[in-house]
Amino acid sequence: DAGVTQSPTHLIKTRGQQVTLRCSPKSGHDTVSWYQQALGQGPQFIFQYYEEEERQRGNFPDRFSGHQFPNYSSELNVNALLLGDSALYLCASSSGRALAKNIQYFGAGTRLSVL
Amino acid sequence: AQSVSQHNHHVILSEAASLELGCNYSYGGTVNLFWYVQYPGQHLQLLLKYFSGDPLVKGIKGFEAEFIKSKFSFNLRKPSVQWSDTAEYFCAVNAYTGFQKLVFGTGTRLLVSP
Repeated sequence: DAGVTQSPTHLIKTRGQQVTLRCSPKSGHDTVSWYQQALGQGPQFIFQYYEEEERQRGNFPDRFSGHQFPNYSSELNVNALLLGDSALYLCASSSGRALAKNIQYFGAGTRLSVL
Repeated sequence: AQSVSQHNHHVILSEAASLELGCNYSYGGTVNLFWYVQYPGQHLQLLLKYFSGDPLVKGIKGFEAEFIKSKFSFNLRKPSVQWSDTAEYFCAVNAYTGFQKLVFGTGTRLLVSP
């Protein structure tokens, strides 16, 4: 049973570029959440997708956008990259039912470096 | 808005020592509480959780945590640590009846020396 898988594992971009990160949820899960973890910090919630719609969003600018596909996989897109976007991006999957009490399972993350 | 404070950023212990990591949260309503662990080179894993009921919860690998509502605290404990407990530990909270947005603390790096 595959867990949460993310690709790529590492990515190097320059300022102003755009990036797309991908996530496949754990089997049986239909909800995907994205988090940004800067160096020395805890993960910060970006947004969550359920039934192909953004259900909740954290305090991130519109440069951060996402998508969820019918097979529940998800993409995170960041436009006009800034140096400050350098971080580990984590994807977490869970079941949409029972809402807050559902456990989120995390992937290994994508390390994004912006030069 | 919810927030989580972890007071110890770095902790160094010898094997067999007892561990207590502090976690305080700020939120006006009822919350669900979690401790996640990240071993070197691995992904975040759930250590234990509290939703309701007995405020003393037990997790994997001998860890436990106590929810003290009056202190808004959810401290993590282990009576005797092992070298394999070397990891980063994150406390997290979400609103009891809300969606699944987790708010994390900044984490505590634990180094256990053999």
